[in-house]
Amino acid sequence: AAGVIQSPRHLIKEKRETATLKCYPIPRHDTVYWYQQGPGQDPQFLISFYEKMQSDKGSIPDRFSAQQFSDYHSELNMSSLELGDSALYFCASSSAEGTNEKLFFGSGTQLSVL
Amino acid sequence: AQTVTQSQPEMSVQEAETVTLSCTYDTSESNYYLFWYKQPPSRQMILVIRQEAYKQQNATENRFSVNFQKAAKSFSLKISDSQLGDTAMYFCAFMNLPPSGSRLTFGEGTQLTVNP
Repeated sequence: AAGVIQSPRHLIKEKRETATLKCYPIPRHDTVYWYQQGPGQDPQFLISFYEKMQSDKGSIPDRFSAQQFSDYHSELNMSSLELGDSALYFCASSSAEGTNEKLFFGSGTQLSVL
Repeated sequence: AQTVTQSQPEMSVQEAETVTLSCTYDTSESNYYLFWYKQPPSRQMILVIRQEAYKQQNATENRFSVNFQKAAKSFSLKISDSQLGDTAMYFCAFMNLPPSGSRLTFGEGTQLTVNP
């Protein structure tokens, strides 16, 4: 079965650079979520989209932005990168049919800021 | 805001034995979902089990079962016949029902090690 695809798997950037993370949800899933997991920490919710509109916002820095496109894939754009942005970034998707409680996670993008 | 607390940072168990991981949460909502996720060294986030708050019956999935105590806001995970592949970080998580949103709030995690 198709899963949530995230790219790239690993990304190395310098401070103050920009990064773009991509997420391709499971086919027919209309909701996408982004989570950030720092080293040794639990995942923290950043932002979510439903039908290409922002549906919920968590602890996402102003330096970050995200959107969901017409094909339902999503991109997380991160600017002016800081050392503290080094983390594993998860994307998850779900379907609004039902109650959206079945989230499927991608394998994550490991971002290292040097 | 909801909070999820896992008071056991680390636990270990012998292969084939049973272990219970604890989780408590705080919410003013009456309907919600609770989850246990497993994160092995590969760091993939894998759903282990899910419980709907309006269901009194405890969820079970093969060797995994929960003890859901709604009044006490407690949601523990029991792993029976532990296997080496169960070694992982386990996260307890909470989700409101729509339209309050479907973000997951995670606990701090419990690192479980299964010893041969």
